Amino acid sequence: AQSVTQPDIHITVSEGASLELRCNYSYGATPYLFWYVQSPGQGLQLLLKYFSGDTLVQGIKGFEAEFKRSQSSFNLRKPSVHWSDAAEYFCAVGRGGATNKLIFGTGTLLAVQP
Amino acid sequence: SQTIHQWPATLVQPVGSPLSLECTVEGTSNPNLYWYRQAAGRGLQLLFYSVGIGQISSEVPQNLSASRPQDRQFILSSKKLLLSDSGFYLCAWSSGTTYGYTFGSGTRLTVV
Repeated sequence: AQSVTQPDIHITVSEGASLELRCNYSYGATPYLFWYVQSPGQGLQLLLKYFSGDTLVQGIKGFEAEFKRSQSSFNLRKPSVHWSDAAEYFCAVGRGGATNKLIFGTGTLLAVQP
Repeated sequence: SQTIHQWPATLVQPVGSPLSLECTVEGTSNPNLYWYRQAAGRGLQLLFYSVGIGQISSEVPQNLSASRPQDRQFILSSKKLLLSDSGFYLCAWSSGTTYGYTFGSGTRLTVV
């Protein structure tokens, strides 16, 4: 069955520290991969996406993610976290097509300490 | 540019009352449209999606229904709300070229 796992429900980091949010997926074919961010009470904003090619993708707000096929992972990273990065982060997988349905993980809530 | 509008932002409704949430997209034609519900700690649950006018697919059996009366309009409804219908409802659209979704700002529904 297709699924997305975000093993960390809640993460706290200090401002200026590096960040890595984990995402593992189970999918029949090589999927398209996405990371979204959600501020409290808001909709989701796309951070970055991977379709093919270079496995290291750059996104907005200084985020990057690396696709590792052998590990079925698509972890999100940022070298130096800012207080404004506190939010909930969702990983998603899909394959396009007529319906273009995405499967979302349960999210990781990021808190940033001053 | 494309925009998506979702309203209302907040809604408090009594149990047994009807529901209508509306979502409209501008700046694109024939989008795929989606309704998700978000519950704390449970991520996003796909409720309905539509690939065209009048075409609705339901992902989970529930007390809700969806309709797409116009190309860029997607409506989520219920005849009688249950307490369990409380949650944060998100509308999203995509196209064959974008693959990822663009989300609306969401509706916080509290059933009391």
